[in-house]
Amino acid sequence: DSGVTQTPKHLITATGQRVTLRCSPRSGDLSVYWYQQSLDQGLQFLIQYYNGEERAKGNILERFSAQQFPDLHSELNLSSLELGDSALYFCASSVGPGTTYEQYFGPGTRLTVT
Amino acid sequence: GNSVTQMEGPVTLSEEAFLTINCTYTATGYPSLFWYVQYPGEGLQLLLKATKADDKGSNKGFEATYRKETTSFHLEKGSVQVSDSAVYFCALSDGAGGGSQGNLIFGKGTKLSVKP
Repeated sequence: DSGVTQTPKHLITATGQRVTLRCSPRSGDLSVYWYQQSLDQGLQFLIQYYNGEERAKGNILERFSAQQFPDLHSELNLSSLELGDSALYFCASSVGPGTTYEQYFGPGTRLTVT
Repeated sequence: GNSVTQMEGPVTLSEEAFLTINCTYTATGYPSLFWYVQYPGEGLQLLLKATKADDKGSNKGFEATYRKETTSFHLEKGSVQVSDSAVYFCALSDGAGGGSQGNLIFGKGTKLSVKP
């Protein structure tokens, strides 16, 4: 158990809908990362927050947005869903930004868009 | 941009066989390099890491050496066990955007199956 929690574990929804994925980092970790794992694209970095502020952006679509709240949990919002958005979404946390700190991954949320 | 290339699987070995999974990278600057492991139905776990050239990361019998001259970070284990069956990902920290924030660039993963 990494100490990172993600909810829900599974999500099935229809095209055009909007969903919110939630991540609670390990106690003491200030940095949260979101990654998408799909068969086509593999594991891709989406976005990173540190202590409530956006720090880095990867291949995140404009239909997707995220935020980190004062209690440090983070939410990833996916809107106008398409079939191609079906994937595993992982959250990871670390003490700080930068490569010095190990990232701990949550178990993921499996999103299926029908 | 930065990228990671690792050998495609699946790799099937017998118990106690020697394992090598090749990983090469393209990067500007001096990234840190990582191997992560993903067991079925679980998230990724850090297996080992190396932060500078010639560093050797090791954990649970697995080893990898950061080779700047060949831009490689091959994963090795002398004697694999059935419990090592998993997907292994090579990754580097991306230094884009004026300094690394630690976000990772992953290879496509190599599935390892170890038979008794």
